[in-house]
Amino acid sequence: DAGVIQSPRHEVTEMGQEVTLRCKPISGHNSLFWYRQTMMRGLELLIYFNNNVPIDDSGMPEDRFSAKMPNASFSTLKIQPSEPRDSAVYFCASSSRGQPNQPQHFGDGTRLSIL
Amino acid sequence: QQQVKQSPQSLIVQKGGISIINCAYENTAFDYFPWYQQFPGKGPALLIAIRPDVSEKKEGRFTISFNKSAKQFSLHIMDSQPGDSATYFCAASYTSASGTYKYIFGTGTRLKVLA
Repeated sequence: DAGVIQSPRHEVTEMGQEVTLRCKPISGHNSLFWYRQTMMRGLELLIYFNNNVPIDDSGMPEDRFSAKMPNASFSTLKIQPSEPRDSAVYFCASSSRGQPNQPQHFGDGTRLSIL
Repeated sequence: QQQVKQSPQSLIVQKGGISIINCAYENTAFDYFPWYQQFPGKGPALLIAIRPDVSEKKEGRFTISFNKSAKQFSLHIMDSQPGDSATYFCAASYTSASGTYKYIFGTGTRLKVLA
C-alpha cells in the first residue's frame, strides 16, 4: 500500500518567495493533518481537515500560511511570503474515520529552508 | 493545560538494557495516549498506544505504563537494540464536544542504543 506522499522532499528558496508543499493522503483516509517540526518547538499541529473541510486551524502561525484540500486525495500548504523562521520539516499525516484511536500515518516530510 | 511534558531529552543505553521515557500531562480530558517512533529522514510512525482505563499495555519489547492519578505515562523498551535508536514522541489526544480531536505531542526523546 502506498503511504502518505509528500512533495517536494526538499525545498530551498529565498525569503519572500511563495512556497507550496503538497500531500497525497492514503486512499480512503478522511482526516488529514499538517505538522511542522523544529528543534525548538518539536512537532506542532498546523491544521486538520476532516472530509476535506478544515476543522482546526488554530496552529497556523500567521496569515502567511494557508492550506487547502480541494479533494480527498490532495492537499497543499502554502507560505506566502516565506521567511527564514519558516525553515522546518513539514509533515502531512492522514488517518481513517477521524477517530483518535486510528493511527496517524505520516509522510516522510518536506525539509524547507528559507534563505 | 494542553502541554505534554516529555523527558529526558536524550538517552543513551547499552545494548540489552532498558530504555525508559516519561511523559506528564495536565488536561484530564485527554483520552488516548500514543507513542510514535521517528527515524532520521522519516516521518513518525505509531509504535504503541494506550487508553486511560488501562494501566499497562505491552507489545513485544515495548510497554506503556499509565498512572492516571499522577497524570503520567511512560514507555519502556526492554532488551534495547541498536535498531531502536530513534526519536520517540509521546502524545495525548482529546476529543472535543463536536467530535473532532487532535494530538498534542511531547518534545521528543532521542534514544541511542550502543552496540
